[in-house]
Amino acid sequence: QKEVEQNSGPLSVPEGAIASLNCTYSDRVSQSFFWYRQYSGKSPELIMSIYSNGDKEDGRFTAQLNKASQYVSLLIRDSQPSDSATYLCAVNMGAAGNKLTFGGGTRVLVKP
Amino acid sequence: DTGVSQDPRHKITKRGQNVTFRCDPISEHNRLYWYRQTLGQGPEFLTYFQNEAQLEKSRLLSDRFSAERPKGSFSTLEIQRTEQGDSAMYLCASSFRLDTQYFGPGTRLTVL
Repeated sequence: QKEVEQNSGPLSVPEGAIASLNCTYSDRVSQSFFWYRQYSGKSPELIMSIYSNGDKEDGRFTAQLNKASQYVSLLIRDSQPSDSATYLCAVNMGAAGNKLTFGGGTRVLVKP
Repeated sequence: DTGVSQDPRHKITKRGQNVTFRCDPISEHNRLYWYRQTLGQGPEFLTYFQNEAQLEKSRLLSDRFSAERPKGSFSTLEIQRTEQGDSAMYLCASSFRLDTQYFGPGTRLTVL
């Protein structure tokens, strides 16, 4: 079992719709959680960080964390074609040094 | 531009050659990380530095790989006797203490 799991997709959503991305992780002591966006051939770009249970909103993005279920999600509202990218879930599993463990990413395609 | 920078952006080499990559972190960041990403996968942790001290190395980092951060500022990652399996995107990230990691543009290595 992978430590951080994501559905690889592609997740196809029409423009203006909500894209819902999910991520599960294996280590209960995980402390912090991040969503990165990665365009093809580019490096990961931070979208959101979340540290405590509940929702965190930033513009069109909402991250949701449920530590009891070991689950973190990302909602993208009013999806735009420019949101088409791979979304990486990253988890700091409490290891010294704050290294991140990444999922394989979910590819999102927003169709005009 | 005050973000993380990496040089070169692309490197093509022949099997058996040595290569060296450089990373310049965000100036006030004391932690520097190296990750490797292959096609269709999320980044995998290689090593990290706190100031000039290399505090952790992944099992992925074979003896052919070495990293330095001599003055606690920029870092270099050297791969000796490259193999085709070393072909990947090498990503550098930096953070201030245990805060969020920001990635550089990456160095894409192709080993022929």
